[in-house]
Amino acid sequence: DILMIQSPDSLAVSLGERATINCKSSQSVLYSSNNKNYLAWYQQKPGQPPKLLFSWAFTRESGVPDRFSGSGSGTDFTLTISSLQAEDVAVYYCQQYYSSPYTFGQGTKLEI
Amino acid sequence: QLQLQESGPGLVKPSETLSLTCTVSGGSISSSRYYWGWIRQPPGKGLEWIGSLYYSGSTYYNPSLKSRVTISLDTSKNQFSLKVSSVTAADTAVYYCARSQSDYDYFSYWGQGTRVTVSS
Repeated sequence: DILMIQSPDSLAVSLGERATINCKSSQSVLYSSNNKNYLAWYQQKPGQPPKLLFSWAFTRESGVPDRFSGSGSGTDFTLTISSLQAEDVAVYYCQQYYSSPYTFGQGTKLEI
Repeated sequence: QLQLQESGPGLVKPSETLSLTCTVSGGSISSSRYYWGWIRQPPGKGLEWIGSLYYSGSTYYNPSLKSRVTISLDTSKNQFSLKVSSVTAADTAVYYCARSQSDYDYFSYWGQGTRVTVSS
């Protein structure tokens, strides 16, 4: 199984400041034949299901504000919120879909 | 707009079988473009993929649960189902159904989730 480790486990950021969440996979999730990283990011607010933010490491879903960005390749990935808003308080998860079983990071709790 | 809704008992006794159904509206479960999956989240913990199936009925499961899990399709009702046998307290979780793209298993649409407690 591919192990996904996020850091930090929790993060407190002031409104308007930058938030950075890291995700590291135990093996590369870059598929060489298409040069795509099989890595997704989700946001989960209390009492709600996860919401897909990014697929392919940095392809933003429709409706996701552009203050959110995804980056990285291979085994190291980053989710960045450029200017934190109150509605961004949530737990964020990365997920690899490179190989079954599909695995998630343990989550990063983002607070103000 | 696609919607997924989980349903089933909220309380299951240890050693019994947990059975949940996901009803899909706003889209056909028979589409070749998508896979349909189950993911669970124990209280206060992270997400665990349970398994997925294709409109053809083909399935693939997380090996950690494979011996106890069955996912099946009912195209006439536009539903798919999850069964987990021989449950223990460790199976207590919020269970989500979700849709992924065919061949690319990231989950674009999720149900609201249903809480299942395993307790006598």
